[in-house]
Amino acid sequence: RKEVEQDPGPFNVPEGATVAFNCTYSNSASQSFFWYRQDCRKEPKLLMSVYSSGNEDGRFTAQLNRASQYISLLIRDSKLSDSATYLCVVNMQGSGGGADGLTFGKGTHLIIQP
Amino acid sequence: NAGVTQTPKFQVLKTGQSMTLQCAQDMNHNSMYWYRQDPGMGLRLIYYSASEGTTDKGEVPNGYNVSRLNKREFSLRLESAAPSQTSVYFCASSQQGTGANVLTFGAGSRLTVL
Repeated sequence: RKEVEQDPGPFNVPEGATVAFNCTYSNSASQSFFWYRQDCRKEPKLLMSVYSSGNEDGRFTAQLNRASQYISLLIRDSKLSDSATYLCVVNMQGSGGGADGLTFGKGTHLIIQP
Repeated sequence: NAGVTQTPKFQVLKTGQSMTLQCAQDMNHNSMYWYRQDPGMGLRLIYYSASEGTTDKGEVPNGYNVSRLNKREFSLRLESAAPSQTSVYFCASSQQGTGANVLTFGAGSRLTVL
């Protein structure tokens, strides 16, 4: 079983819609979870960390489901500028692990259509 | 505020040639990383340096060497390039401690080996 799995998409979504995608991880001891965003031919950039209680940043909401071992990202009122690839990132080293323990998913490609 | 700077941005090599990718960060980060990104494979860690003077292998180190020249600079060397090393290479850096999982990436170096 792959360590971090994402639906590659593409997800084609009309502007203004709500879109959500999940990411599953295999290591139940994982403690740290993140969403990174990568624009076409650019470097990945941190979008948000994912906390146990869930967290929200403007139109973006991230949640963690430890029992089912997945994290989710919800984007409300989607904008054209949200078009990108969203990378799920999990630290397999557990709490306090360094970034060398980070495992990247292959990404979900999101296209917001006008 | 430059962040992480990589050079060169593009390079074409012939099989068997050698080259060095340069990376420098100006954020006073302790840890630095080299990743490669291939279509359908996601980001994979090649080597990392948790602090100045130390380097460790990541997931895919074969065919590469690294040097942590000082706190700012971390270079990646291909001694004898192979077509399988055609990829996009990203350098990244992070703080230690609670900031360890937040990576700041360079803009990437696109390498083609013929």
